[in-house]
Amino acid sequence: GAVVSQHPSRVICKSGTSVKIECRSLDFQATTMFWYRQFPKQSLMLMATSNEGSKATYEQGVEKDKFLINHASLTLSTLTVTSAHPEDSSFYICSARAANTGELFFGEGSRLTVL
Amino acid sequence: AQSVSQHNHHVILSEAASLELGCNYSYGGTVNLFWYVQYPGQHLQLLLKYFSGDPLVKGIKGFEAEFIKSKFSFNLRKPSVQWSDTAEYFCAVKEWDSGYALNFGKGTSLLVTP
Repeated sequence: GAVVSQHPSRVICKSGTSVKIECRSLDFQATTMFWYRQFPKQSLMLMATSNEGSKATYEQGVEKDKFLINHASLTLSTLTVTSAHPEDSSFYICSARAANTGELFFGEGSRLTVL
Repeated sequence: AQSVSQHNHHVILSEAASLELGCNYSYGGTVNLFWYVQYPGQHLQLLLKYFSGDPLVKGIKGFEAEFIKSKFSFNLRKPSVQWSDTAEYFCAVKEWDSGYALNFGKGTSLLVTP
């Protein structure tokens, strides 16, 4: 099946630094990618929807200046957590919607720990 | 706002036991319904989905789910679980007219013991 790759899978950073997480669709083009955040024992919460070549649409309560999303190509979207703080520690998951079939595929997730 | 409720947070079953995981949603309009599974250390995978038609949907690995519109439910079932079914299971709902993003339940952790 189609594969969505996230990198890095785990990252530890110091408070105040910025971290970039990549989401790539490896064998299909994705016109739309979604970024979710998952807290322990909680549901996946949609953070933003990104469409290739346009600005991301953020969900209510998600700071767009803190969570920068770029969807520069049909196979790559990036999430940058700027000036990270310990409360940003979480599991971030992306999903990509295949342009030809509309099916959704999920990445393996990236665990961010901010010290 | 629409919500998705999974009533069982942790389920422990012996192999060969039957499984039913509950999922209810609150949206009153047309919905698309999904069950995803996440095996330890792996990404979310689609088990099955319902868009329209026969409310009894069969998915991969012997799983099935039944959409009961009157109860706003989409429960997941498997007649006989295996140790390899140990995983986290997520119910997800997409409102028909809301784009492509999914609303997820909190997940149910299933442990199948030998």
